[in-house]
Amino acid sequence: KAGVTQTPRYLIKTRGQQVTLSCSPISGHRSVSWYQQTPGQGLQFLFEYFSETQRNKGNFPGRFSGRQFSNSRSEMNVSTLELGDSALYLCASSLDRVGIETQYFGPGTRLLVL
Amino acid sequence: AQSVAQPEDQVNVAEGNPLTVKCTYSVSGNPYLFWYVQYPNRGLQFLLKYITGDNLVKGSYGFEAEFNKSQTSFHLKKPSALVSDSALYFCAVRARSGNTPLVFGKGTRLSVIA
Repeated sequence: KAGVTQTPRYLIKTRGQQVTLSCSPISGHRSVSWYQQTPGQGLQFLFEYFSETQRNKGNFPGRFSGRQFSNSRSEMNVSTLELGDSALYLCASSLDRVGIETQYFGPGTRLLVL
Repeated sequence: AQSVAQPEDQVNVAEGNPLTVKCTYSVSGNPYLFWYVQYPNRGLQFLLKYITGDNLVKGSYGFEAEFNKSQTSFHLKKPSALVSDSALYFCAVRARSGNTPLVFGKGTRLSVIA
């Protein structure tokens, strides 16, 4: 089975721009979660989607949004980019809603905001 | 609110020696507990999880972890470290009840020296 894929792998943007990141979960997985990883803050939860519905949201400003499609693929969008948004964005999928289910992570998208 | 503490930013161990990476957690009620490993420029890889039952959990690559409810700990161990075990290790916790996301510790960098 193919793992979780994320595109693009690397991205350079300037302040004020917006960006869309994509995540394709493992086939059959219905839950997708997004995390932001930075050296200072570690892994911070952004949101969880299950069956196209946002089930949980972390403490991030409204500039961060996401969605999930009927095929379970997910996108996250960051508008009006700030320097502090530079990070590794990780997507994880699981069979069912996050609970006892193991989350499987993609390689991440590294975003650099200049 | 749930939280995870990994008290050591860095752990150094000689190859062949036993290793321990510490994790303590705080959560209402009983927890689900996970360990993940991250190699450079990669996403997180699942190592093991504690759901219920035996307090000693065995996982991938010879790793194991012991759930200690009284000490609210879930330390990761391996009897004999390999140089290839050098990586960043993350402990994560989720409450069994309620709609809460997986919360990660800040990570511990393990360095195994030949």
